[in-house]
Parts: sequence; structure tokens; C-alpha cells
Amino acid sequence: DAEITQSPRHKITETGRQVTLACHQTWNHNNMFWYRQDLGHGLRLIHYSYGVHDTNKGEVSDGYSVSRSNTEDLPLTLESAASSQTSVYFCASSTGHNYGYTFGSGTRLTVV
Amino acid sequence: AQSVSQHNHHVILSEAASLELGCNYSYGGTVNLFWYVQYPGQHLQLLLKYFSGDPLVKGIKGFEAEFIKSKFSFNLRKPSVQWSDTAEYFCAVNDKTGANNLFFGTGTRLTVIP
Repeated sequence: DAEITQSPRHKITETGRQVTLACHQTWNHNNMFWYRQDLGHGLRLIHYSYGVHDTNKGEVSDGYSVSRSNTEDLPLTLESAASSQTSVYFCASSTGHNYGYTFGSGTRLTVV
Repeated sequence: AQSVSQHNHHVILSEAASLELGCNYSYGGTVNLFWYVQYPGQHLQLLLKYFSGDPLVKGIKGFEAEFIKSKFSFNLRKPSVQWSDTAEYFCAVNDKTGANNLFFGTGTRLTVIP
């Protein structure tokens, strides 16, 4: 069965370190997205991609970057982790406007 | 830009009570509308969606939602809730013709008391 997987599920890192969160989907979806979920804010879009080599900034992109070298993967990198980036991160993929998103199980990141 | 408002932050109901969660969006163009559910410790799952046709949409687990264009609303309903419906519910919207980015509300936490 097709799926979307995120790794790791939990991560603790220190302030200033570079961290990469993985997202891999086997739906063959062109569109992929990264969101962070924080209490009182719901889900906020960090970065998104509509295809290989395409990346775009979302609402809260400062301090984050993504790259899309193939259809299946959209890794999210925190260049220099900050305590404000402690959050739950969700990756999602979609085939088009009318279909909604399929979400991964999330990565809980703690920056100490 | 689109925005989505969910006015109820936390709703507490007894089992068998009826549920209605409010969702209003702000956008001048044509939109697709979605409700997602997040059970404790899990990822978001699609409950139902509206993109055209009958404004009353039925989803999984007995949920339904009604799109009222004149009120920019897409409220979620269920006639009789169960303890297993305890979860967080998110309304979301995207532009039919623009970027395929979903804008989410801040969510409503539903607690159902047995």
C-alpha cells in the first residue's frame, strides 16, 4: 500500500545544531508540504513543492529549508535549531486541489 | 490570502449529544473545503470534503458538513457523538484555481464524556 512516512518520530537536539527531518511518500504525488503544529496556532505551512526541483516558502519559512531531488522525498532542514522551533512537524502530499492531503505521522522535535 | 476561523476552541459533550463545530473562511474566490480529524497522538485524517455539487456533504463515521456560500461557512455536524470521537478537528480551505495550499483553522478540541 502507498504511504507517507516521516523519520525520526521523536528528536531532541541542541540549540544551534543543524537538523534534518525526513519525509518519504510512495503515492507518486507531485505536491508535498511541510507544516508545524503548535498549540493555539493550528497548522502553519513552512515550505512546499509542486514537483522535482521546485520549492516554495510558506507562512513560517524563516530558519528552514527544503530540497526536492526526486518525487518521493522532501527533507526539511533546520539550519541552526532554535528553541522556538520546538514543535510537531507534519509532512503531507497531494495529487491536486480537489483531493486534500495525506499526512505523515509527524515528528516531535525538541530543541534544548 | 485565505483565513479560516474556528470559534470553538474546546467543546465538551456527553455521549449521544449532538455536535456542531463552526468554521468560517475569508476568501473572495471559489474554494474547496475540508474537515480533518486528529485523534490523540495521531496524524490528521480526512473526514470529508466539499468541492462542488450538493452543499451537504457526508463523510466518514457519521459526520456531515454543510457549505453555506452566503455565510462563508462550512460547519461540521454529527447527530450523536461517541466517546471515540474525542479528538481535535480542523477546518481547512484551498483556492480552486490557485496554489494547492491548504489553510487551516486553529482547531477545535472535542472531549466526549462517557
